[in-house]
Amino acid sequence: AQSVTQPDIHITVSEGASLELRCNYSYGATPYLFWYVQSPGQGLQLLLKYFSGDTLVQGIKGFEAEFKRSQSSFNLRKPSVHWSDAAEYFCAVGDNYGQNFVFGPGTRLSVLP
Amino acid sequence: GAGVSQSPRYKVAKRGQDVALRCDPISGHVSLFWYQQALGQGPEFLTYFQNEAQLDKSGLPSDRFFAERPEGSVSTLKIQRTQQEDSAVYLCASSSPLVGGHGYTFGSGTRLTVV
Repeated sequence: AQSVTQPDIHITVSEGASLELRCNYSYGATPYLFWYVQSPGQGLQLLLKYFSGDTLVQGIKGFEAEFKRSQSSFNLRKPSVHWSDAAEYFCAVGDNYGQNFVFGPGTRLSVLP
Repeated sequence: GAGVSQSPRYKVAKRGQDVALRCDPISGHVSLFWYQQALGQGPEFLTYFQNEAQLDKSGLPSDRFFAERPEGSVSTLKIQRTQQEDSAVYLCASSSPLVGGHGYTFGSGTRLTVV
């Protein structure tokens, strides 16, 4: 069965610093990978997704993620964090049509002024 | 509508009470999903509809949970005889086959608190 781990429960960075959120997955076939962001009291917003092709994926709000099959990882990065990026971030893996997603436990990002 | 709409936003139920949570998907979206998100955790799959057919209900935690989508649009998640462990945010998502269900759209959720 597929699974997703996000090793960091909580990360704190200073505004303007770079960010990397880790995601590792276990999946028997070609994974469809996603990153979502959730602000308090809000639903999940898609940041980016990977299906195939270029392993470096660009998303919204200046985020990018790199798929590394050999490491079963799909880490999320941003070169310069803004205070508004403070939120909960979820990595997810899905099957061929994104059904039956499995989400990671999430990483809470705090941003210091 | 422009997005997935869920109501109510907040629901407080006394233990043992029945509740019904509503999801209005994006118009024309064939697929609809329900997830349960406990405090501090990621969402967990509950059930999936394609039009009015419930194709997967493997995530429903007990027979107290029941979901329906009788006309293939609006869906209702019903929880009977609520227990404290049912307290969570219930998220609904819908997707269109034209985009292959990838990265479907989530509603803002219903926060259920059982007291």
